Amino acid sequence: GAVVSQHPSRVICKSGTSVKIECRSLDFQATTMFWYRQFPKQSLMLMATSNEGSKATYEQGVEKDKFLINHASLTLSTLTVTSAHPEDSSFYICSARDTFQGDLYNEQFFGPGTRLTVL
Amino acid sequence: AQSVAQPEDQVNVAEGNPLTVKCTYSVSGNPYLFWYVQYPNRGLQFLLKYITGDNLVKGSYGFEAEFNKSQTSFHLKKPSALVSDSALYFCAVRDGYIPTFGRGTSLIVHP
Repeated sequence: GAVVSQHPSRVICKSGTSVKIECRSLDFQATTMFWYRQFPKQSLMLMATSNEGSKATYEQGVEKDKFLINHASLTLSTLTVTSAHPEDSSFYICSARDTFQGDLYNEQFFGPGTRLTVL
Repeated sequence: AQSVAQPEDQVNVAEGNPLTVKCTYSVSGNPYLFWYVQYPNRGLQFLLKYITGDNLVKGSYGFEAEFNKSQTSFHLKKPSALVSDSALYFCAVRDGYIPTFGRGTSLIVHP
C-alpha cells in the first residue's frame, strides 16, 4: 500500500523557536496533501490543504503566518510552526491521496504523526 | 455541508465477542464513507470504504461495515474481537473533495 512518512516523529523545542515538519509520499505522487492537528483523545482538525506549486488553503481560524506550508514537489510538503508557543504543542498528522489513482474514490494515506512539545 | 457522528466515546467488549462501532452521517450528495484506525502515537490506518455497490463492505483485519442509506449509518463490525483491536476508530464521510472525520470511538477489548 501507499506509504506516507513524517519527520521528525517527535520534537521538543523552546518557546519562540520555529519547527519544520516534513511529510513525504514514498511510493506515489500527491498533488494535494493535508495537514491535521489532533489534541489528546480528540478528532483530527484539518488545518490546511497543501497544493503542489501553489499556496496552501487554510481552514478558518488557522493562522497562515504561524503555520507555514510549502508543497515544493509532488512528494514533499512541509509545515513550519513559527515562533512556537506551549499552546502549539500537539500531534500533527499529514495525509495524501495518490494523484494518479484519481481523487474521487480514494482513501487518504496518513503519516505516522509528529509529536510537538513546546517548553 | 457534511457531518459525521460517532455517538459513543468508548466501546468495551470482551475478547471473542462481536463488536460494533457506530457511525451516522449527513451529506447533501452521494456519500463516500471510510473507516480508519489509530493506534497510540500513530497516524491513521485505512480499514475500509464504501463508494457504491454492496452495502456490506469488507476491509482489513477482519473488519466489515454495513452501509444503510435509510438510516444514514455506516457501522463498523467484527464477528470476534481481539485484544489487539483496541484502538481509536474514526469514521469519515466525503461528498466532495475533503473528508469530515467523526470525533473517534475508543475501542477497548478485554481479555
